[in-house]
Amino acid sequence: QSVLTQPPSVSAAPGQKVTISCSGGPSNIGSHSISWYLQLPGTAPKLLTYDDDKRPPGIPDRFSGSKSGTSATLAITGLQTGDEADYYCGAWDNSLDVMVFGGGTKLTVL
Amino acid sequence: QVQLVESGGGVVQPGNSLRLSCAGSRYSFTGYAFHWVRQTPGKGLEWVAFISHDENHLSYADSVRGRFTISRDDSENTLYLQMNSLRTEDTAIYYCTRVGFGVDLGSGFHPWGRGTLVTVSS
Repeated sequence: QSVLTQPPSVSAAPGQKVTISCSGGPSNIGSHSISWYLQLPGTAPKLLTYDDDKRPPGIPDRFSGSKSGTSATLAITGLQTGDEADYYCGAWDNSLDVMVFGGGTKLTVL
Repeated sequence: QVQLVESGGGVVQPGNSLRLSCAGSRYSFTGYAFHWVRQTPGKGLEWVAFISHDENHLSYADSVRGRFTISRDDSENTLYLQMNSLRTEDTAIYYCTRVGFGVDLGSGFHPWGRGTLVTVSS
């Protein structure tokens, strides 16, 4: 059971928009910044967004992060078949003094 | 381009030890915090351990605390994970990663190594 809660799967058609939620608590998302990661099969995770809503160089603006209170959202617009992957949210938890991840969300582009 | 390369994985019997290394190339470790994260094939990401840039803050997941030790050698640009009293449930791909973006302890992990597979089996 992950400390951060994500839906196990989401799906949408190519070109459409999808959102992935990440729910936590006051000691993690409520106190620390959230990051989102993409993982393609057989590869290492890749950073998509950090500090709630910032993108590292090279990440297209189709990917956007947001946060409100103890929940965060990753939005992906203009879906492409290459976006099919597992997506994870993560944040530090200052109550437990550990890093916590969501259980991951599998995105299917129909 | 910033790179991290893990090594030291392999097959080990329960109760035995293994030391993983994570070498940086073309950049310095100095001033950066690092994490180890593991993943059982087909499962999600599980955080393992954290070391601050100055080694003053170390943190471990409950599942490994007391058995694993994270350390670093900035002169060698290398991060380590000493794993003792290994259990079958420690079987996973182990990734090292750096807090590359943002200032938060758990923010912006980049880059990630390709991972090294640890198999604990009798």
